[in-house]
Amino acid sequence: DTAVSQTPKYLVTQMGNDKSIKCEQNLGHDTMYWYKQDSKKFLKIMFSYNNKELIINETVPNRFSPKSPDKAHLNLHINSLELGDSAVYFCASSPSTSYGDLFFGEGSRLTVL
Amino acid sequence: AQSVTQLDSQVPVFEEAPVELRCNYSSSVSVYLFWYVQYPNQGLQLLLKYLSGSTLVKGINGFEAEFNKSQTSFHLRKPSVHISDTAEYFCAVSERSNYQLIWGAGTKLIIKP
Repeated sequence: DTAVSQTPKYLVTQMGNDKSIKCEQNLGHDTMYWYKQDSKKFLKIMFSYNNKELIINETVPNRFSPKSPDKAHLNLHINSLELGDSAVYFCASSPSTSYGDLFFGEGSRLTVL
Repeated sequence: AQSVTQLDSQVPVFEEAPVELRCNYSSSVSVYLFWYVQYPNQGLQLLLKYLSGSTLVKGINGFEAEFNKSQTSFHLRKPSVHISDTAEYFCAVSERSNYQLIWGAGTKLIIKP
């Protein structure tokens, strides 16, 4: 069983479209994250939820909207996609008592044409 | 932590040779320290961490790292690398006050046969 699973693994879409990425964790963790990794491998945190409550909301365009229906799921919806949104998006989870131990999904590679 | 610097963007090394990947951080408070590894086309996984106690920490796959408080460094070492160690390595730091991870830019380890 995959601990943190993301779908889809690959997304290719046109500018202006809307897309969603889903994430599920079966580790029983309280905290979930979305990270963006650009083409130079730089990692940037976007959002973090703890028990369905938004706790980190970094400066990202409001076209990006996270949703956490329960503590095992954190989805990312992106409206009006732009070329600069092309990246790999990683979901991660951690126990709420974590000092920084994150468990990552395999990533979702988004390509905007 | 205010910032994390990984001094080398790429480190080429011959197979079976030793390697050191360097990481320095700046922070005015006590920190926790992490190394993560990202194999090609995969998510990140925790390699090792320093929380407290012995400054020499051992991780998976024969890696170890040493915390040097006076030099604010946490360099990663392996005495003999294998082709399977080809990956991107990320240093990360969290401050004991808020546990939010600050990431380095990554170091690509290239193993030459």
